[in-house]
Amino acid sequence: GESVGLHLPTLSVQEGDNSIINCAYSNSASDYFIWYKQESGKGPQFIIDIRSNMDKRQGQRVTVLLNKTVKHLSLQIAATQPGDSAVYFCAEKGSGGYNKLIFGAGTRLAVHP
Amino acid sequence: EPEVTQTPSHQVTQMGQEVILRCVPISNHLYFYWYRQILGQKVEFLVSFYNNEISEKSEIFDDQFSVERPDGSNFTLKIRSTKLEDSAMYFCASSEAVRGTGELFFGEGSRLTVL
Repeated sequence: GESVGLHLPTLSVQEGDNSIINCAYSNSASDYFIWYKQESGKGPQFIIDIRSNMDKRQGQRVTVLLNKTVKHLSLQIAATQPGDSAVYFCAEKGSGGYNKLIFGAGTRLAVHP
Repeated sequence: EPEVTQTPSHQVTQMGQEVILRCVPISNHLYFYWYRQILGQKVEFLVSFYNNEISEKSEIFDDQFSVERPDGSNFTLKIRSTKLEDSAMYFCASSEAVRGTGELFFGEGSRLTVL
């Protein structure tokens, strides 16, 4: 079956440090992956995405790495700031379908000053 | 910046009552979705909607659920007879495309509490 899961439910970091949030997926047919940030009481907010024909994609302070061999996805946040504190979800989309995203369980990132 | 808006932000209802959650997707988007999130759990897909019909639905989306785009701007989720386990945050989302990135834009959610 399909499943997307996260290795760490909570990650605490110091302000200014780099953060790495990990995610495992099991559907090798998935061709598109997204990281979402969810702040308390709000909807998921798109951070960065990556297609299965890439292994790395960079945004502003964020990098997503995709390792298809071991079905692993990670989100790296450089110079983590207090405003980065939130729950982060990875999500995958299969090669068919109408954006039916399968979300992982979420990792809470807590940034301490 | 265009955004998906949802109403109400919070609704409390009695078990067995009908509930309608409303969404206004981003105006040039063609694909619409409902997801839900039970407190403390992950976001789950309910249904996708395109060209005035359901394109895909999950096993959660049973006969008690229905969606409608009544007037070309609103997109609604109706739960006919609510159960306690329907208590959750319901997120509407829309996207411009389904191929390519097809980025989903989520609303801020409607919290449903069933007593």
